[in-house]
Amino acid sequence: AQTVTQSQPEMSVQEAETVTLSCTYDTSESDYYLFWYKQPPSRQMILVIRQEAYKQQNATENRFSVNFQKAAKSFSLKISDSQLGDAAMYFCAYSRGGSQGNLIFGKGTKLSVKP
Amino acid sequence: EAQVTQNPRYLITVTGKKLTVTCSQNMNHEYMSWYRQDPGLGLRQIYYSMNVEVTDKGDVPEGYKVSRKEKRNFPLILESPSPNQTSLYFCASSFGSSRSGANVLTFGAGSRLTVL
Repeated sequence: AQTVTQSQPEMSVQEAETVTLSCTYDTSESDYYLFWYKQPPSRQMILVIRQEAYKQQNATENRFSVNFQKAAKSFSLKISDSQLGDAAMYFCAYSRGGSQGNLIFGKGTKLSVKP
Repeated sequence: EAQVTQNPRYLITVTGKKLTVTCSQNMNHEYMSWYRQDPGLGLRQIYYSMNVEVTDKGDVPEGYKVSRKEKRNFPLILESPSPNQTSLYFCASSFGSSRSGANVLTFGAGSRLTVL
């Protein structure tokens, strides 16, 4: 069975600094997707970034980028120039290709941003 | 506005009193799903539906029922709620397996349920 592990329950970063959130996953599939979702205090689930396993290039979205290491089954999220609005719970998630949206989530990392 | 709408957003009920959490999407998505979120456990899938009249169990289906009679609606039914079903519930939807937007879920705002 596929699993997703986030080993950092809590992280803290100074405003304007860079922080990296870790995620590892386990799968025997070759076609899959990886995601980072942000959950601010409003509880809304917001897609931050998506990576397709068949793509070698790491996905980026403005200040958010990933380091996708397929062989190591690692999918870390880097947040550059951290802002107060980045404070949230971050979830890493895995989805098998063709499953249409059956996501397996990690337990989350709570990120605090210090002014 | 494209969205997934859940109701109620907040509910306090008592053990054994049947309740339904509604979910509706206006994006013509084939796929819909229910998750529950508990502290320290992340989100866990309860049930999902690939299309109308097609539903299947997720990882934690016990104590829940679903139905998919129309494409836009996917209600979650708790026939006899118990305190261990106190949780934050999310409905989500996505298109089918089209490559461009594959597996990207749009979430509802969440429903906080407390069972006393």
